[in-house]
Amino acid sequence: KQEVTQIPAALSVPEGENLVLNCSFTDSAIYNLQWFRQDPGKGLTSLLLIQSSQREQTSGRLNASLDKSSGRSTLYIAASQPGDSATYLCAVYNAGNMLTFGGGTRLMVKP
Amino acid sequence: SAVISQKPSRDICQRGTSLTIQCQVDSQVTMMFWYRQQPGQSLTLIATANQGSEATYESGFVIDKFPISRPNLTFSTLTVSNMSPEDSSIYLCSVEAGPGETQYFGPGTRLLVL
Repeated sequence: KQEVTQIPAALSVPEGENLVLNCSFTDSAIYNLQWFRQDPGKGLTSLLLIQSSQREQTSGRLNASLDKSSGRSTLYIAASQPGDSATYLCAVYNAGNMLTFGGGTRLMVKP
Repeated sequence: SAVISQKPSRDICQRGTSLTIQCQVDSQVTMMFWYRQQPGQSLTLIATANQGSEATYESGFVIDKFPISRPNLTFSTLTVSNMSPEDSSIYLCSVEAGPGETQYFGPGTRLLVL
């Protein structure tokens, strides 16, 4: 059974810092990995999707990497802003059309 | 991309009652998914709903407790039956752009059971 772990569970940084969120998964037989953002009381917004054959994806200040063999992904946020404050969720897509979520990292960016 | 709406957005219910949550998508999709997010927790898949067939439930979830309908390719409902306070959660529906592609989520239904 796939298990997804995110570290750290919570993170507080001053505005402007570059930061890295970590995600690890136990079963490397994945089709893709997706990073989501969830604002308090809201649904999920897809940030980046990395196919299993890819190493990284970039969107604006966000860069996600994938090392399938070691079961790891990182989400890099450059020049963090208070508007980046949210919970970031990592999810892996396995056979059987199943998306397994990590516990999330709650990010607070202080002005 | 897909735009997904859910009704109701939130509700407060008495134990022992049932609530039906609706999910509407702005395009035709083969598979729809229902998730639960308990307070302070991440998302757990309840079931996968395909049009024209019975929903497939994940371990720990049963049809009697969470009956699902999928009458067409743009709509699904999830019923939370005989509710207890432990059912207080956010319930989210989602669809995927294509097999193994980006999943899109609705805004969620926030349920509080007293």
